[in-house]
Amino acid sequence: KQEVTQIPAALSVPEGENLVLNCSFTDSAIYNLQWFRQDPGKGLTSLLLIQSSQREQTSGRLNASLDKSSGRSTLYIAASQPGDSATYLCAVSNSGNTPLVFGKGTRLSVIA
Amino acid sequence: GAVVSQHPSRVICKSGTSVKIECRSLDFQATTMFWYRQFPKQSLMLMATSNEGSKATYEQGVEKDKFLINHASLTLSTLTVTSAHPEDSSFYICSALRTGGNSPLHFGNGTRLTVT
Repeated sequence: KQEVTQIPAALSVPEGENLVLNCSFTDSAIYNLQWFRQDPGKGLTSLLLIQSSQREQTSGRLNASLDKSSGRSTLYIAASQPGDSATYLCAVSNSGNTPLVFGKGTRLSVIA
Repeated sequence: GAVVSQHPSRVICKSGTSVKIECRSLDFQATTMFWYRQFPKQSLMLMATSNEGSKATYEQGVEKDKFLINHASLTLSTLTVTSAHPEDSSFYICSALRTGGNSPLHFGNGTRLTVT
C-alpha cells in the first residue's frame, strides 16, 4: 500500500528565504506526482505535476524534482513571500485512473 | 478548462439529519470521481470511488450505508451523509477523472460540514 510522508510537518521562515519541502513515497512504481497548495479552510490548488518519466517541473518561483527510484520529491520555493504561507501537499498516483494518495502536508509560514 | 464544481461549500446541520453534497464536472465528462475526507490538521483520506452507472467502491472503514454515493451521469456525483453525527464534521472534497483516464485529477473546492 502506497504511503506518502512529508517532512517537515511545519516550517517558519523569514521573507525572502529559499526553502525546500520534502516528500517521500514507499512504492516507487508511480504514474505521476503532484504538489498542491491548500489555504486554511479551502480546497486544493494544483502547483506542479510531474509524470513518472520526468525529473522536474518548474513554474515561476517553484521547482519540483522527482527521484522515482529513491521514492523522493522536493518542492523548492525561491525568494519566499508572506503570500506563500499555506499548507503544501504532496500526492502520488500509481496509475492513470487511480486516486491520489496524499501526504499530511507541510504547513509553511513566511514571516514578513 | 477542467473545472469541478462542488456544492455547497459550507453546511451546518443538526445531528440525525442527512446532507447531500454535489460534485459536478463542468466542461468534461468524468466516468470516475473520488471522494475524500479531511479532518483538521490531517491529510486527505480517500473515502470511496464513484463510477458512473455502477456501485461505488468504499475504502476500508467507511460505512457505505452511511455515506451514500450516486453517480447517475457522466458529470455529476453526489455524496449523502445520512443520519449525521458530530463526528462526521469534516471537510469533504471530490475529484473527477476525465473519461479516458491518464489525466490529472481535478478537484472541487470542498464542503465544510459541521454537525451540531
